[in-house]
Amino acid sequence: DTAVSQTPKYLVTQMGNDKSIKCEQNLGHDTMYWYKQDSKKFLKIMFSYNNKELIINETVPNRFSPKSPDKAHLNLHINSLELGDSAVYFCASSQERSTTQYFGPGTRLLVL
Amino acid sequence: GQQLNQSPQSMFIQEGEDVSMNCTSSSIFNTWLWYKQDPGEGPVLLIALYKAGELTSNGRLTAQFGITRKDSFLNISASIPSDVGIYFCAGPNSGNTPLVFGKGTRLSVIA
Repeated sequence: DTAVSQTPKYLVTQMGNDKSIKCEQNLGHDTMYWYKQDSKKFLKIMFSYNNKELIINETVPNRFSPKSPDKAHLNLHINSLELGDSAVYFCASSQERSTTQYFGPGTRLLVL
Repeated sequence: GQQLNQSPQSMFIQEGEDVSMNCTSSSIFNTWLWYKQDPGEGPVLLIALYKAGELTSNGRLTAQFGITRKDSFLNISASIPSDVGIYFCAGPNSGNTPLVFGKGTRLSVIA
């Protein structure tokens, strides 16, 4: 059984489009995250949600909006995509706030 | 914010050799985590360290939480081709949840 899953795995789109990435975890965790990994493989936190509430929003353009319909899901919606948004986006989850995190397989976004 | 410095950035080793990599921070961490990322996959947790001085093994992997709480190392013994990947150290950022990641050590194993 997949613990943290993301869809789609690959996403190729034109500049200016709006797209969403979905994440689901079946671990019963109460905290979920979105990370961005750039071309140099540097991983950086974007958002953190605890019990469906946004608790951390790092310096991310407001074109990015996370939405958590329930504890098991955290989706990422991106408006007006730009070339610089091309990256791999990872969803992760953890139980409680300061424990180990489990990552999804990533969504490879390419903006043309 | 806190930063983690990993070294070396990359390594090329022969199959069967032992590997050592480390991670240092300018500030104290209360938890050290080591992840491995295979090509095209997400990071997978290898070892978690919660106490200064702690030495923990996971198969051929051994990691230690430095006494100063500002560093950690990861050793891999008798490397095999499937050890290829990027190894990241990580820790919680100033008591909040999100992890701060090092920039990774890229390991290549030559058969």
